[in-house]
Formats: sequence, C-alpha cells, structure tokens
Amino acid sequence: QVQLVESGGGLVKPGGSLRLSCAASGFTFSDYFMSWIRQAPGNGLEWLSYISSRGHTIFYEDSVKGRFTISRDNAKKSLYLEMNSLRAEDTAVYYCARHSGWGTFDIWGQGTMVTVSS
Amino acid sequence: QSALTQPASVSGSPGQSITISCTGTSNDIGTYNYVSWYQQHPGKAPKLMIYEVSNRPSGVSSRFSGSKSGDTASLTISGLQAEDEADYYCSSYTISSTSVFGGGTKVTVL
Repeated sequence: QVQLVESGGGLVKPGGSLRLSCAASGFTFSDYFMSWIRQAPGNGLEWLSYISSRGHTIFYEDSVKGRFTISRDNAKKSLYLEMNSLRAEDTAVYYCARHSGWGTFDIWGQGTMVTVSS
Repeated sequence: QSALTQPASVSGSPGQSITISCTGTSNDIGTYNYVSWYQQHPGKAPKLMIYEVSNRPSGVSSRFSGSKSGDTASLTISGLQAEDEADYYCSSYTISSTSVFGGGTKVTVL
C-alpha cells in the first residue's frame, strides 16, 4: 500500500545536526513533489520545505532557511532533511508528506520525533 | 509567512452541524483555490479531508464540505459524530510558492 516511513529522529544537543529520512513505497516516488512538515509538542502544524519531483525546485520556510536542507534520491525512493544548528525550538515531530497538487498533502508518514536539549 | 487564523475550539452535539473558519490574506487564500483541510486525532498523523477548497478525497465522508469567500475558507461538518472529535487544520498555497497552515481547531462533540 501507499506508505511513507520516517526515521532518523532522536535526542541532539543545541547546535548539533541530524539527518531525517523518509522511505516511500506503493507509488511512483519520482512522480511526486514532497514536503517536510513539523509539529512541536502541543502545537500546530508548520510547513518547512518542499522539493519538486526531480529535485530541481526547492523552497523553505523562513525559520529554517540556511539551516535545513531538503533532498531526495529517486532511485532509492527516499526523501531527506539535513538539519544543522539545531535549537530547542526545533523540537517537534517531523512528518514527510506527498503532494497531490499545489499545497495539498495527501499521504503522510507516521512522524519521527526530534528533541533538541542539553 | 504568518499562520492562517482558526478558532481554537468549536463544539457541537451529535447530529448537529459545525463550521470552522480559516482566515488568510490576499497572499494565500484570497489568491488561490489551493486550500486544504486536515483531521488529526491524538498521537496520529494528519489526514487529508478536503482539497482545493471543496473537493473530497475518495473515502472521506460526504458530511465534510468546504467553501471559500474572499480571504476566508470554511470547513463544515454536518451530522456531527463522536468520531469527528479531533483537531482540524487548514492549509493554503501562497504567492511565495510555499505553504502555510492554520493554528488548528479542536472540535469537541458534546
């Protein structure tokens, strides 16, 4: 079935780095734009970044621009988020999501928790 | 990009209809018909309920409907059921080629 599975979350110290992965299955990954979206504990959803189907077009939300890098490997059916200079306020569940149209996220992963704390 | 504005909570009795508003600006909702709505139960991933203002994905109950007027979009749940108790988020595409979510609305079934 159509599925996204995130991994790579964990506990990291402020200023540290982490790389999240999202493995896709059940659909032609290379046909779809993909996004990363996060949710801080007890808070709402925050869109972070998207990447076009072939990786040629990328956009970021201002708060992560310059610190986070989105990428994909269509051969491995995988999406990535490289996170640097992490701050306490980056603590959240991070979801990868498939686009089905402009700004529509039709498939979501189960999320991976990132905790930034000393 | 500022978050879209949603009421923090909305409640209703079983069988009633409720409407959740989502207010943006001419930079997002006012310009594009790319408004979507998501349902999130505690500890679960969000689920797409409405896309492009008023379209329902396959499998979503017809009790859920969406509309838009100017800079404000709305989600209506008719025939409210206990299983509808959840958080609901709106989202819109923006003129900056990004996406923005609302702060979320907690729906309580009395």
